[in-house]
Amino acid sequence: SQQGEEDPQALSIQEGENATMNCSYKTSINNLQWYRQNSGRGLVHLILIRSNEREKHSGRLRVTLDTSKKSSSLLITASRAADTASYFCATAPAGGSEKLVFGKGTKLTVNP
Amino acid sequence: EAGVAQSPRYKIIEKRQSVAFWCNPISGHATLYWYQQILGQGPKLLIQFQNNGVVDDSQLPKDRFSAERLKGVDSTLKIQPAKLEDSAVYLCASSLVGQAEAFFGQGTRLTVV
Repeated sequence: SQQGEEDPQALSIQEGENATMNCSYKTSINNLQWYRQNSGRGLVHLILIRSNEREKHSGRLRVTLDTSKKSSSLLITASRAADTASYFCATAPAGGSEKLVFGKGTKLTVNP
Repeated sequence: EAGVAQSPRYKIIEKRQSVAFWCNPISGHATLYWYQQILGQGPKLLIQFQNNGVVDDSQLPKDRFSAERLKGVDSTLKIQPAKLEDSAVYLCASSLVGQAEAFFGQGTRLTVV
């Protein structure tokens, strides 16, 4: 079963704008990760935030985590056409076996 | 560092036929996962191995799907017999024990006609 729900399902922006994607989940987690998937290719790990962290940065990426609301957001600043992809949040349930439970993803299109 | 290798990249079969996918994880990664990704959805875990033991196969349709990881390295996933609804991308991923980040292969796109 899918744990996370990303919002929005699709997002279209212009190059240079910021893109924000949200993820909600249902059960307690050890960590939450964001992955990117280009069309027809495998998933690439972007960033991981642990359950005791509230915010994390990596380059143009900023992730926040609110465990009380069971939600996370991914912000991509100064977007580029190359950021066009599907973005998935994946949760590692607390007490689980390190398996990842993925949401349905947000399809981001960055127009040049 | 070589990534996760999967083959074949594409496969088309008729329903009721059988098919097998192969995965070679990153060297040293004891944990290996098989995910099924249906078009427009997120990946769904089918089975997780640690070395050659099964950790989680709760979502594997065991009446038609089987997987093995002999010698704790390469893995094969088999579907027999295939149904139309098995059309999906099958992703293999691996990780170090205790490491949360998973590394994914390019996947095998299966079309059942």
